[in-house]
Amino acid sequence: ETGVTQTPRHLVMGMTNKKSLKCEQHLGHNAMYWYKQSAKKPLELMFVYNFKEQTENNSVPSRFSPECPNSSHLFLHLHTLQPEDSALYLCASSQHPGLGNTGELFFGEGSRLTVL
Amino acid sequence: TQLLEQSPQFLSIQEGENLTVYCNSSSVFSSLQWYRQEPGEGPVLLVTVVTGGEVKKLKRLTFQFGDARKDSSLHITAAQPGDTGLYLCAGEHFFYTGANSKLTFGKGITLSVRP
Repeated sequence: ETGVTQTPRHLVMGMTNKKSLKCEQHLGHNAMYWYKQSAKKPLELMFVYNFKEQTENNSVPSRFSPECPNSSHLFLHLHTLQPEDSALYLCASSQHPGLGNTGELFFGEGSRLTVL
Repeated sequence: TQLLEQSPQFLSIQEGENLTVYCNSSSVFSSLQWYRQEPGEGPVLLVTVVTGGEVKKLKRLTFQFGDARKDSSLHITAAQPGDTGLYLCAGEHFFYTGANSKLTFGKGITLSVRP
């Protein structure tokens, strides 16, 4: 139990569907992240939120739309996805790295997405 | 883009054996982290190394940060089946402007320890 909970754990959707992934952290952290993990590729950072404000969008296609209503919750809204978007989507949280801090990430268990 | 190369990509060994795996880059990092990810789980931080030449031990795991802070190694003594998993290294670039630090991940090393 890392203190970061993701739902659903598994999701299968068609290319025309709209679905959302949810992440909740109980650690009191102020930064939250979405990462994409595909086979044989490094973890890809998608979005970063600090204190509910988006501070990083790593050239992610607009079919992925993040939402951060507060520091504890993060969503990833999905629409008109492609089969190549099938991957494990990991949410993480951390304390905002200030001077001298290292950014330890606490990950959720991931949401395994399959796009048909 | 700062690349982190991890090697070997796959390793299958017998319980009780020793092993060393590597994380290399041409970039200098302010710190380097090692994570382990078990099947069906998210990555979990094992250690952070900050100082060039630093050695940290976590039970049977020994982590070393290169003197130039460009590379790192992980040595496991007497591997156990519970060590099985994906080992990820992540190098951090810290910006003194107060902007987010940047973590760059390697592809990972898949370790299988057979009983």
